[in-house]
Amino acid sequence: EPEVTQTPSHQVTQMGQEVILRCVPISNHLYFYWYRQILGQKVEFLVSFYNNEISEKSEIFDDQFSVERPDGSNFTLKIRSTKLEDSAMYFCASSEEQGVQETQYFGPGTRLLVL
Amino acid sequence: AQSVTQPDIHITVSEGASLELRCNYSYGATPYLFWYVQSPGQGLQLLLKYFSGDTLVQGIKGFEAEFKRSQSSFNLRKPSVHWSDAAEYFCAVGEGRGGADGLTFGKGTHLIIQP
Repeated sequence: EPEVTQTPSHQVTQMGQEVILRCVPISNHLYFYWYRQILGQKVEFLVSFYNNEISEKSEIFDDQFSVERPDGSNFTLKIRSTKLEDSAMYFCASSEEQGVQETQYFGPGTRLLVL
Repeated sequence: AQSVTQPDIHITVSEGASLELRCNYSYGATPYLFWYVQSPGQGLQLLLKYFSGDTLVQGIKGFEAEFKRSQSSFNLRKPSVHWSDAAEYFCAVGEGRGGADGLTFGKGTHLIIQP
């Protein structure tokens, strides 16, 4: 069964450093998402992406964050200058079609720790 | 804005016993409701979803959920749990505005299965 993959599984970085989290969505999917979960808190929507553009973003997704589809398979989340509060599990998801009724398939997550 | 509450952080159930995980949502219109499960080291896997129609929804792995508008609830049930059901369970709601919509998740319920 096709699945969403994410790399790395864990990343440790120093405050102020840039990090790039990578995701490979399911190959025929056209809509991509990033979510995060701070330890002990809810999974929160960050951003959705379609046709090389951001479709929707939450208030969490400020200028420190950016997303990109650099090639035909990868979907990345960049945090330009990490803060301690960016420590979280980051989930990538993809769906075949748009609309909330479409199933979003999630990857296993990248656990980011900012020191 | 919509919100999701999962009042139980942890639930312990004996193997073979029945299970009910609670989920309450706050949303003005008819919500799109989901239950996801996350096993250790795995991504979020969709168990079932509700959009309209029959309020009792069947999902994978023997799970079902019932939408009760009067109680703003979407509780997940299983008649007989197996040790492999031990995982984190997330209830989520979607707003259905069109486009690549993000989901709003609850904090999750950690299910522990006793032998």
